[in-house]
Amino acid sequence: KNEVEQSPQNLTAQEGEFITINCSYSVGISALHWLQQHPGGGIVSLFMLSSGKKKHGRLIATINIQEKHSSLHITASHPRDSAVYICAVTSDKLIFGTGTRLQVFP
Amino acid sequence: NAGVMQNPRHLVRRRGQEARLRCSPMKGHSHVYWYRQLPEEGLKFMVYLQKENIIDESGMPKERFSAEFPKEGPSILRIQQVVRGDSAAYFCASSPNDHEQYFGPGTRLTVT
Repeated sequence: KNEVEQSPQNLTAQEGEFITINCSYSVGISALHWLQQHPGGGIVSLFMLSSGKKKHGRLIATINIQEKHSSLHITASHPRDSAVYICAVTSDKLIFGTGTRLQVFP
Repeated sequence: NAGVMQNPRHLVRRRGQEARLRCSPMKGHSHVYWYRQLPEEGLKFMVYLQKENIIDESGMPKERFSAEFPKEGPSILRIQQVVRGDSAAYFCASSPNDHEQYFGPGTRLTVT
């Protein structure tokens, strides 16, 4: 079993839909990261959080330390949000989930 | 403040050649991490370095791979005698404090 599990693996949505991507982890962590990887391959760090909730534009990330679970929400999704979203946790090193491939259609 | 720089962005090597991947961290960052993303797989930690020191190399293959982060200049990931299975995207990230990491654009290595 992977130490960081994401669901779903693949997600398609119509433009404007509200999207949720989930991440569960089984190790002790000091922080959790949400990353975005576009088809070109570059990686952008979206959030780093250790408790509570963070918001940046249409993106919201939450974490529940007791339940070892985090969610990434995208409101009013847009085709340019199409990417792979990766959850990663900082344990003694950064451990990555396998990613959620999101496609948003117009 | 420029972001993390990696070069080359694309590298093609024949089997048996050496590959050198460079990573210039953000200004003021003294922590560098290397990650590998094999085709259709997730990112995997390779090595964590601070200036002139390897802190954690538990993700590095035991042979042919080495990394350094000298006092001056970029961090180098070196792969000797490359094989087809080394074809992957190699990402570098830097951090000021071993906490928040900023990723470079990656180097795509293709071994023919």
